[in-house]
Amino acid sequence: DAGVIQSPRHEVTEMGQEVTLRCKPISGHNSLFWYRQTMMRGLELLIYFNNNVPIDDSGMPEDRFSAKMPNASFSTLKIQPSEPRDSAVYFCASSVTGNSPLHFGNGTRLTVT
Amino acid sequence: AQKVTQAQTEISVVEKEDVTLDCVYETRDTTYYLFWYKQPPSGELVFLIRRNSFDEQNEISGRYSWNFQKSTSSFNFTITASQVVDSAVYFCALSERETSGSRLTFGEGTQLTVNP
Repeated sequence: DAGVIQSPRHEVTEMGQEVTLRCKPISGHNSLFWYRQTMMRGLELLIYFNNNVPIDDSGMPEDRFSAKMPNASFSTLKIQPSEPRDSAVYFCASSVTGNSPLHFGNGTRLTVT
Repeated sequence: AQKVTQAQTEISVVEKEDVTLDCVYETRDTTYYLFWYKQPPSGELVFLIRRNSFDEQNEISGRYSWNFQKSTSSFNFTITASQVVDSAVYFCALSERETSGSRLTFGEGTQLTVNP
């Protein structure tokens, strides 16, 4: 099993540019989560999907953030336009439906200058 | 609302010492799940353990052990005979049954440094 795969590992972009982060969950996992990690706020849940349907997006900071899960094997998190305060590590995680453990990807380190 | 508190921001020990990382949680739910994750310097988040609220038995896995006490809402993590490779940030997390899926609320994390 390849685990949760995120791309890119690092992204450096200029303020105002669009950024798209990608995630491939573990095959057979029905829940997918996007978390953001910063020094100031720690690990925050942005949004999660169950069976490809967004269940709770209350953690999405603002309208500049959007997430999609077009099928069971792929999800994207998009920031448009990006701002320096969006700089963080973004983690994708997946789990079997229920309270089973989350399996995290290696994260995408985003730097917005 | 659920909350997880890890009061120890940083801990520094010398190799072979035992160290305990504290975790206190708040929840209104009677059924919930507690987790510990490790984040080494490389940055990935590694699952260590899951406990449900009905199972208060302590668990031991090699040098790792966990003490779950509902009476004090604590789920502490002990590393015995620490090693340099244990240096990492350790996160305690809580998932309530009422929430769908495995939505986790994380504590702030404890940075453990094990010195040779």
